[in-house]
Amino acid sequence: EVQLVESGGGVVRPGGSLRLSCAASGFTFDDYDMSWVRQVPGKGLEWVSAINWNGGRTAYADSVKGRFTISRDNAKNSLYLQMNSLRAEDTALYHCARVYSSYGNLDYWGQGTRVTVSS
Amino acid sequence: DIQMTQSPSSLSASVGDRVTITCRASQSISSYLNWYQQKPGKAPNLLIYAASSLQSGVPSRFSGSGFGTDFTLTISSLQPEDLATYYCQQSHSTPHTFGQGTKLEIK
Repeated sequence: EVQLVESGGGVVRPGGSLRLSCAASGFTFDDYDMSWVRQVPGKGLEWVSAINWNGGRTAYADSVKGRFTISRDNAKNSLYLQMNSLRAEDTALYHCARVYSSYGNLDYWGQGTRVTVSS
Repeated sequence: DIQMTQSPSSLSASVGDRVTITCRASQSISSYLNWYQQKPGKAPNLLIYAASSLQSGVPSRFSGSGFGTDFTLTISSLQPEDLATYYCQQSHSTPHTFGQGTKLEIK
């Protein structure tokens, strides 16, 4: 069974940092690209970042570019999102998701980890 | 960035109705269009990918169509468990933007 479990969320002050993790199981992790998607409570989905299977290619939303860094450790079946210079508007539930095919569709999602940026 | 616009933002329909949600891209995205269903308090669930391919395990009452800039998600016969918010997403070019969502209510 495919499982994605996020962790690392919490409450942080504006300007602070957090590192989110996503532990993957039930599939061959390094066969797949991975992605982060966030959702402000009661609002829509926002694509945040993606990384290819070997970490050699990454992409970011304009809203996080230069502040967030996506990475992965295939030996540990883990995906990460390093978030620096956090802002109030980064407050959201952060999901990791598996990219299923070259069509970029996200076929498995974790339940998310909550990030709150507040003074 | 490619903008995705869904319509309507919300709709109410009866069990058994045929329901259609549309999604428009600000530029051509070929068939790089995905549809997700999100039930309250749950993570999104992939319904349709590549504009018209049904994801494994998804009921056949869901279908997708379109190419280029205009796309449609259709539920052929609405069921009570289809209460959810539906999102389109383009995966033609990064950032892989989502539409704003369509909240579907059951009358």
